Amino acid sequence: DAGVTQSPTHLIKTRGQHVTLRCSPISGHKSVSWYQQVLGQGPQFIFQYYEKEERGRGNFPDRFSARQFPNYSSELNVNALLLGDSALYLCASNDRAGGYTFGSGTRLTVV
Amino acid sequence: AQSVAQPEDQVNVAEGNPLTVKCTYSVSGNPYLFWYVQYPNRGLQFLLKYITGDNLVKGSYGFEAEFNKSQTSFHLKKPSALVSDSALYFCAVRAEYNFNKFYFGSGTKLNVKP
Repeated sequence: DAGVTQSPTHLIKTRGQHVTLRCSPISGHKSVSWYQQVLGQGPQFIFQYYEKEERGRGNFPDRFSARQFPNYSSELNVNALLLGDSALYLCASNDRAGGYTFGSGTRLTVV
Repeated sequence: AQSVAQPEDQVNVAEGNPLTVKCTYSVSGNPYLFWYVQYPNRGLQFLLKYITGDNLVKGSYGFEAEFNKSQTSFHLKKPSALVSDSALYFCAVRAEYNFNKFYFGSGTKLNVKP
C-alpha cells in the first residue's frame, strides 16, 4: 500500500518564478493538507482540502494557492517566488481518526 | 489560540539512559496531541497520539508519552535511548473541534551518544 507521494523531491527556482508541487494521498484518503517547514522551525499549516473543497487556510499570502483533483491528488502553487519561500513543503494525508501521514516532502530552494 | 511549546532546542543523552523530550500546549477544548520524528531530509514519521483514555500512551519504537491535563504537558519518553533515536522530534496539537489544522512546536533535536 503506497504512502503519501510527493513530487518533485527537490527543485531550484529563481525569484519571481512560479512553482507547482504535487501530492498523492494514501489510497482511500480524501483529505490532503499542505505544510511549509522553514529550516529550524516546525511545520506551518498552509491549506487543507477535503473532497476537492478548501476546508482550511493558514496565514499565507495569496501567492499561495492549491487545488484537489477528483482522484484526491493535490497541487500547491506558489507565484512570484521570494527567497523566504525556500523551505521543505510537506503534504499530509488525513485519516478519519484525525491523524496525519506525511510524505517525504519537496525541498524548494529559491535563488 | 492554539500553540505548542518545546522548551529545549536540543537534548543530549547517553545510549541506554532514559530520555525525555518536553512539550506543553495551549488549545481550546480537549486537545488531540501527537509526536512526530523527522530524520535528515525526510518527512515526518508518526510516533504516537493522545485522543482520550489512559494518560500514558505507548507508541512506535518503544516511545511513550504522558498526558498531564493540569500541567498542559505531553512529554515524550523512552526508558532506554538508542543511538538510532537521534533525530528531530516535533510535538503537535489540534483542537477537538478543528479537524483541519495541526499546530507544531519548533522541534527538539535529540542527540544520543554511544
